[in-house]
Amino acid sequence: EIVLTQSPGTLSLSPGERATLSCRASQSVSNNYLAWYQQKPGQAPRLLMYGASSRATGIPDRFSGSGSGTDFTLTINRLEPEDFAVYYCQQYGSSPITFGQGTRLESK
Amino acid sequence: EVQLVESGGGLVQPGRSLRLSCAASGFAFNDYAIHWVRQAPGKGLEWVSGISWNSATTGYADSVKGRFTISRDNAKNSLYLEMNSLRAEDTASYYCARSRHYYFYMDVWGKGTTVTVSS
Repeated sequence: EIVLTQSPGTLSLSPGERATLSCRASQSVSNNYLAWYQQKPGQAPRLLMYGASSRATGIPDRFSGSGSGTDFTLTINRLEPEDFAVYYCQQYGSSPITFGQGTRLESK
Repeated sequence: EVQLVESGGGLVQPGRSLRLSCAASGFAFNDYAIHWVRQAPGKGLEWVSGISWNSATTGYADSVKGRFTISRDNAKNSLYLEMNSLRAEDTASYYCARSRHYYFYMDVWGKGTTVTVSS
């Protein structure tokens, strides 16, 4: 099983700043099949990124993803108030599909 | 509108069974794999089970293997999760989510149904 470790656990930033979220895998993620999801309280997760660096439909270009192998990053430029949420990475290249434990992005 | 709607959650005693359903609309259900993902109160996301478009491939997390069974009825655009021998640690919101292939990202999610296992 691929274990995904996200850091930091909580990130406190102000609107307009840049957020950098990390996701490290215990072994190489097949085909860079790494996705990022955003979840707000009381809501279902929403797909942000897939294939490590491709934005899902309707996701603003201030969101970007990078990385390969075992190290992946989600960057959010110019934070907007609606960006404060919990973010999860997920690998979907091998069984079982696994999620990271999440990074909480909170407003300072 | 593309939509997944879960149902069947509720309060159940430990050791009992429950069947969750996920109704799909607005897309070609039989073209997609579907997964169940759960979230315990205040915790992160956990993949539970998945099934390919034709039911040829199914998978389970170790935590539910042997107790949960996933199935689908493409004629009814529906997905099911039969949960047996429920435990307190199965208490969670259960989401169904679609993916274009079994090993693929999940691009549409339902709003979830809540299962509480308690005496």
